[in-house]
Amino acid sequence: DGGITQSPKYLFRKEGQNVTLSCEQNLNHDAMYWYRQDPGQGLRLIYYSQIVNDFQKGDIAEGYSVSREKKESFPLTVTSAQKNPTAFYLCASSITIYRGENSNQPQHFGDGTRLSIL
Amino acid sequence: AQSVTQPDIHITVSEGASLELRCNYSYGATPYLFWYVQSPGQGLQLLLKYFSGDTLVQGIKGFEAEFKRSQSSFNLRKPSVHWSDAAEYFCAGRSFGNEKLTFGTGTRLTIIP
Repeated sequence: DGGITQSPKYLFRKEGQNVTLSCEQNLNHDAMYWYRQDPGQGLRLIYYSQIVNDFQKGDIAEGYSVSREKKESFPLTVTSAQKNPTAFYLCASSITIYRGENSNQPQHFGDGTRLSIL
Repeated sequence: AQSVTQPDIHITVSEGASLELRCNYSYGATPYLFWYVQSPGQGLQLLLKYFSGDTLVQGIKGFEAEFKRSQSSFNLRKPSVHWSDAAEYFCAGRSFGNEKLTFGTGTRLTIIP
């Protein structure tokens, strides 16, 4: 079955440490996204990528970095510059919206990674 | 600014009772609207979507939503809830051609026997 796989499910970070969250999809989607979820705040967009080797900052990109070297993969690195990294991180993918076409396409989500500080 | 608002943080409903979750949007033109459900510790699952045509859309798990332009609303309904419907529900929207989805802050649904 096609889907999005996020790993690990739980991750712990020490102070001053960078950690990388994995996101892999086999839906053949061009677009991929990273969201951060905190209680009572809904989902906030960190980074997104519409095509391989290209990505854009979302609303809360500070302290995070991404790469998009393969269509299937969009890893997120939480750097030591992110002072409050404890959250639930969700990866999503979708068909790319191009000149308005596919605006009705939903995003499909993985099961998330919960990051905590040691 | 484009936005999606879910006025209710938490709703409690008895099993078998009807349900309505509210969602209001603020967009210049007709937005593309979505409802998602999230079980604890899980990702989001799409329930239904609206982009044009009939204002009443049917989704999975017996859910439906009605788009009302005059009220800028896209409320989610279910005639009779089951204990398994307990979850968090998110309304989301985007404008034409916008890659980004804007999410509401979510409504947590509790089902009591």
